[in-house]
Amino acid sequence: DAKTTQPNSMESNEEEPVHLPCNHSTISGTDYIHWYRQLPSQGPEYVIHGLTSNVNNRMASLAIAEDRKSSTLILHRATLRDAAVYYCILRENSGGSNYKLTFGKGTLLTVNP
Amino acid sequence: EAQVTQNPRYLITVTGKKLTVTCSQNMNHEYMSWYRQDPGLGLRQIYYSMNVEVTDKGDVPEGYKVSRKEKRNFPLILESPSPNQTSLYFCASSLLGRAQEKLFFGSGTQLSVL
Repeated sequence: DAKTTQPNSMESNEEEPVHLPCNHSTISGTDYIHWYRQLPSQGPEYVIHGLTSNVNNRMASLAIAEDRKSSTLILHRATLRDAAVYYCILRENSGGSNYKLTFGKGTLLTVNP
Repeated sequence: EAQVTQNPRYLITVTGKKLTVTCSQNMNHEYMSWYRQDPGLGLRQIYYSMNVEVTDKGDVPEGYKVSRKEKRNFPLILESPSPNQTSLYFCASSLLGRAQEKLFFGSGTQLSVL
């Protein structure tokens, strides 16, 4: 699997935007970029995914660099409930490789009141 | 409500005593998989299944077995648990397992092997 690199931790203040970066310099042309988050004592939860274009949904926005070697998850107004570990992962879109999935250590987001 | 259900939530057992962790999904998903989560190591895939009677190894399959006799169920079997299998386990599913699909995760099973 292509690897991703994320900061170990980030801090934000409530009501402010948060930009969570992810580097994936070995991404291939057909890999999808996915973001999941894991709240304390819960299973990972899907946040957003994209291939080439920026994506928006009710939870967040995903900004993908033009060369696709990096992406940024944007939480427009952080709340205390957004405090979680955020995982950026690549899903290969080729043969049986898409069935295998590897999560890294993610970024621990702390939101201050 | 669409969900992935794991049981039990917590399990304490002793070395060598066979156990099964159940996983069930109500979304008619073909793809299901198991992960373990250990401090500092993220989530690692144990086994996955593309459909009924079709399973394959993930990154850390040693010491585990799975079966997929029905589409909705994907139990994880530890025939002779050892202390190094103490971990937090998650089951997940998606429609067909394609790269553009999102995964749905269960709430986890915390296993302690003494």
